[in-house]
Amino acid sequence: AQSVTQPDIHITVSEGASLELRCNYSYGATPYLFWYVQSPGQGLQLLLKYFSGDTLVQGIKGFEAEFKRSQSSFNLRKPSVHWSDAAEYFCAVGARNNDMRFGAGTRLTVKP
Amino acid sequence: DAGVIQSPRHEVTEMGQEVTLRCKPISGHDYLFWYRQTMMRGLELLIYFNNNVPIDDSGMPEDRFSAKMPNASFSTLKIQPSEPRDSAVYFCASRKKQVGELFFGEGSRLTVL
Repeated sequence: AQSVTQPDIHITVSEGASLELRCNYSYGATPYLFWYVQSPGQGLQLLLKYFSGDTLVQGIKGFEAEFKRSQSSFNLRKPSVHWSDAAEYFCAVGARNNDMRFGAGTRLTVKP
Repeated sequence: DAGVIQSPRHEVTEMGQEVTLRCKPISGHDYLFWYRQTMMRGLELLIYFNNNVPIDDSGMPEDRFSAKMPNASFSTLKIQPSEPRDSAVYFCASRKKQVGELFFGEGSRLTVL
């Protein structure tokens, strides 16, 4: 079965600084990759997804992610973080067996 | 379109009581998933349905947990009897196609005393 690793449990960045959240996956075939964001007390909202094609995908709220097959990675980036970006971020991998597995999440704190 | 709707949003109950969580998926979505979220274990897939049929329930912790989907617009997750270690946020999510993004409800926060 597929699996996802998010190495960073908690990251703190200053407002206006750039952000990169790491995600590594394990899957024997071409994965379907997702990034979700969760604000406190809320469900998960999709930021972006990768199925095929261009390995650099753009999402909502100014986020982007790059699929690197050689590194089994799908890192999330944002050039300039806003205080409203503080939340929990989850990477997920889907497979043709239908289910979707999530990483443990990375909590983002934004310093003023 | 309305999103995935879950009820109740919060439930506090005592150990040994039966708990029923409900979910209404997005209309037209053929797949429905139940996840459990805890600090210790993160997001765990419990069970998912395709066209109302359970496909994979290997994530259901034990026999105290059961899930049903009697029709395309309704699913329940039942815990009987409940235990304090069941305290968690339970999410329902739905999806239209075999592969695609999941749409999540706002979750049901369960506290078992």
